[in-house]
Amino acid sequence: DAGVTQSPTHLIKTRGQQVTLRCSPKSGHDTVSWYQQALGQGPQFIFQYYEEEERQRGNFPDRFSGHQFPNYSSELNVNALLLGDSALYLCASSQAAGTGSYEQYFGPGTRLTVT
Amino acid sequence: AQSVAQPEDQVNVAEGNPLTVKCTYSVSGNPYLFWYVQYPNRGLQFLLKYITGDNLVKGSYGFEAEFNKSQTSFHLKKPSALVSDSALYFCAVSFRTDSWGKLQFGAGTQVVVTP
Repeated sequence: DAGVTQSPTHLIKTRGQQVTLRCSPKSGHDTVSWYQQALGQGPQFIFQYYEEEERQRGNFPDRFSGHQFPNYSSELNVNALLLGDSALYLCASSQAAGTGSYEQYFGPGTRLTVT
Repeated sequence: AQSVAQPEDQVNVAEGNPLTVKCTYSVSGNPYLFWYVQYPNRGLQFLLKYITGDNLVKGSYGFEAEFNKSQTSFHLKKPSALVSDSALYFCAVSFRTDSWGKLQFGAGTQVVVTP
């Protein structure tokens, strides 16, 4: 049973550029959440997608956007990159609320470095 | 404001000794509580959760945690630590109703188990 997968593993971008990160959820999961983990900190919630719609959003600017596809995979897009966007970006998948399953399963992350 | 705190940046323990990692939370209402572990350059691995029911929950790799509503705590414990338990541990809380799935993480506690 494949777990959560993310691509790419590492990415180096220049300030002002745009980046797209990708995530495939664990088999049987239909909800995808994205988190940003800066060095030495706990993950911070960016947003969550279910049924191809953004359901919840954390305190991140509109430069951060996402998408969920019919096969439940998801993308995270960040525009106009800032140096402060350098972080590990984690994707987590779960089953929808009301299914009785509450834990989220995380992928290995994408390490984004903005220079 | 809802928050989760891990008061210790680092916990040092000798192999074979009991391990405790502390977590307290501040919420209005009843939370869902989780523990995750992160190894270097890896994503987060789910250890255990408290949703409802028995206050003592058992999880993966011999870990357990006790939910204490009066003290608003959810401490992680392991009776006998192993060197391989050395990692970064995160407590996380999610809230019921419309905030389901938005995990709020503590800052993390680095566990160092010495032989």
